[in-house]
Amino acid sequence: QQQVKQSPQSLIVQKGGISIINCAYENTAFDYFPWYQQFPGKGPALLIAIRPDVSEKKEGRFTISFNKSAKQFSLHIMDSQPGDSATYFCAAKRCYGGATNKLIFGTGTLLAVQP
Amino acid sequence: DGGITQSPKYLFRKEGQNVTLSCEQNLNHDAMYWYRQDPGQGLRLIYYSQIVNDFQKGDIAEGYSVSREKKESFPLTVTSAQKNPTAFYLCASSMTGCYGYTFGSGTRLTVV
Repeated sequence: QQQVKQSPQSLIVQKGGISIINCAYENTAFDYFPWYQQFPGKGPALLIAIRPDVSEKKEGRFTISFNKSAKQFSLHIMDSQPGDSATYFCAAKRCYGGATNKLIFGTGTLLAVQP
Repeated sequence: DGGITQSPKYLFRKEGQNVTLSCEQNLNHDAMYWYRQDPGQGLRLIYYSQIVNDFQKGDIAEGYSVSREKKESFPLTVTSAQKNPTAFYLCASSMTGCYGYTFGSGTRLTVV
């Protein structure tokens, strides 16, 4: 019940295309869903996050779509650029009331944007 | 600037040696975490601490030890009992509540 399942494992997109990465969770107590971007040899950086009271959040070319009933959320990267090539991790946690404050991470998606 | 600092960036260890990885944060975060990342793999939790002088094992704690004597510091020792320590180690910190983690830039440990 603590897992976050992420797909696909890898993704190749043409420059200008839309990259879509999906995650599914099981624990209905989760109420914070961030996405992280990691470049090779660097630490992950927080990209965008959403709470379940909204169905969509957009920041520039990055959008999170959230479906509470399906227990799924996804990252959409519009107008994908070669500089977006990185590994993306979704995550989830329960903000308050749980035993810990830990994020549960997905397994990661390696995105390659071809010029 | 506030942030989280890991040192050294690269570390080489001879078999049978213990080594300590440093992690310092000036973000006033209560919680700190250590992750291991192998090539092409995800993030595996080693240890975490939600408060000073307290820490809990993560999913792969065997062969590792930590201490949390100060809020700002959470060093990780890779002991000789860790049979395959070559990996990229990431430290993170967070506030309690609806906040994400801030990660350090990582330490790459290689056994020689």
